Amino acid sequence: SQQGEEDPQALSIQEGENATMNCSYKTSINNLQWYRQNSGRGLVHLILIRSNEREKHSGRLRVTLDTSKKSSSLLITASRAADTASYFCATEGIQGAQKLVFGQGTRLTINP
Amino acid sequence: DAGITQSPRHKVTETGTPVTLRCHQTENHRYMYWYRQDPGHGLRLIHYSYGVKDTDKGEVSDGYSVSRSKTEDFLLTLESATSSQTSVYFCAISDWGGGQTQYFGPGTRLTVL
Repeated sequence: SQQGEEDPQALSIQEGENATMNCSYKTSINNLQWYRQNSGRGLVHLILIRSNEREKHSGRLRVTLDTSKKSSSLLITASRAADTASYFCATEGIQGAQKLVFGQGTRLTINP
Repeated sequence: DAGITQSPRHKVTETGTPVTLRCHQTENHRYMYWYRQDPGHGLRLIHYSYGVKDTDKGEVSDGYSVSRSKTEDFLLTLESATSSQTSVYFCAISDWGGGQTQYFGPGTRLTVL
């Protein structure tokens, strides 16, 4: 069963704009992670936020976590063409430590 | 992809034939994972290993088996490939498991005709 549901499935914006992707999940978690996948490549880890954290920053990335709503968002500020990729959230459940459950991903396209 | 290789990178096979995919790591990480990626399903865990000869099932393990005889190698075997196993397969590694980043290999594209 898929733990994470991502919204939107696809997003197209102009270079320089901000991009926001959302992830909802169903069960209690230890942490939530975001990964990026460029076309034809493996996934690359972006950021991890633990269940006791509400917000985390890494460069142009800002992640929020609301455990009461079982949701997270990933904000990419000042987008660049190189940000074009698919973005996946992944949750590590309390029961299933050492295992991640991935969402279906958001396909982000940055138009020059 | 550094430190993780997958072989082969592409394979076309026929229904009913056995197939083995190999994941090799040079990072000495304890945990290794096999996922499949299909359109509309994201990544789904097939099997994972938490040490040499220690493996467990994931979400979609039916039709797959794994073996890990050395820390650096994790093999995924399709005993009798079916068309529904056409997919892109990714290997991942992690050092401590819980609460840790997973690092992914470049993937193997498998087509079962």
